[in-house]
Amino acid sequence: DAGVIQSPRHEVTEMGQEVTLRCKPISGHDYLFWYRQTMMRGLELLIYFNNNVPIDDSGMPEDRFSAKMPNASFSTLKIQPSEPRDSAVYFCASSLRTGGKGIQYFGAGTRLSVL
Amino acid sequence: GENVEQHPSTLSVQEGDSAVIKCTYSDSASNYFPWYKQELGKRPQLIIDIRSNVGEKKDQRIAVTLNKTAKHFSLHITETQPEDSAVYFCAAWTTAGNKLTFGGGTRVLVKP
Repeated sequence: DAGVIQSPRHEVTEMGQEVTLRCKPISGHDYLFWYRQTMMRGLELLIYFNNNVPIDDSGMPEDRFSAKMPNASFSTLKIQPSEPRDSAVYFCASSLRTGGKGIQYFGAGTRLSVL
Repeated sequence: GENVEQHPSTLSVQEGDSAVIKCTYSDSASNYFPWYKQELGKRPQLIIDIRSNVGEKKDQRIAVTLNKTAKHFSLHITETQPEDSAVYFCAAWTTAGNKLTFGGGTRVLVKP
């Protein structure tokens, strides 16, 4: 398996623009997680899905952020409108099970710069 | 919710010496504790994990210990090598929140 695949790897956009990040989990994994990493706040969980259903979105910073998982092999994280403070590395991770029964495998991340 | 504190934030060691990173957690319901290593510009990768029914686990030069009573766990790296230089994250999984909470990370620099 190629692992968790994220695109794009880098995104540079201007404030106010819409940004869409994409993730393809490992085939067969039931759980998908979106994280944001910044120097100030570290690694934060934004939202996670189980069997394509959002389970916990309490980490989504505000209404400008939305995430979808239309099928088992694809998820998107959208920011609209984007702001400079959204600049961060966004990771997607997937796991076969949850908790101690499931190792989370991370994608390579998308480095987002909002100017 | 769960809160994970990690110390130190930076650690510099001489090649061949040992490195120890400590984490504390707040939720006594947490039962799974993975450690991730993130090299510069790369993704976090699991290096070792421990479950709450085990006190210690070892894998070659790395080991993790868990003290449930005190709610803290530690990562030990022996005979450090330059390739051990990275940021290390501890995490705790709580069944209540059903998610991983990460510590703030420790930047380890191994000097040759």
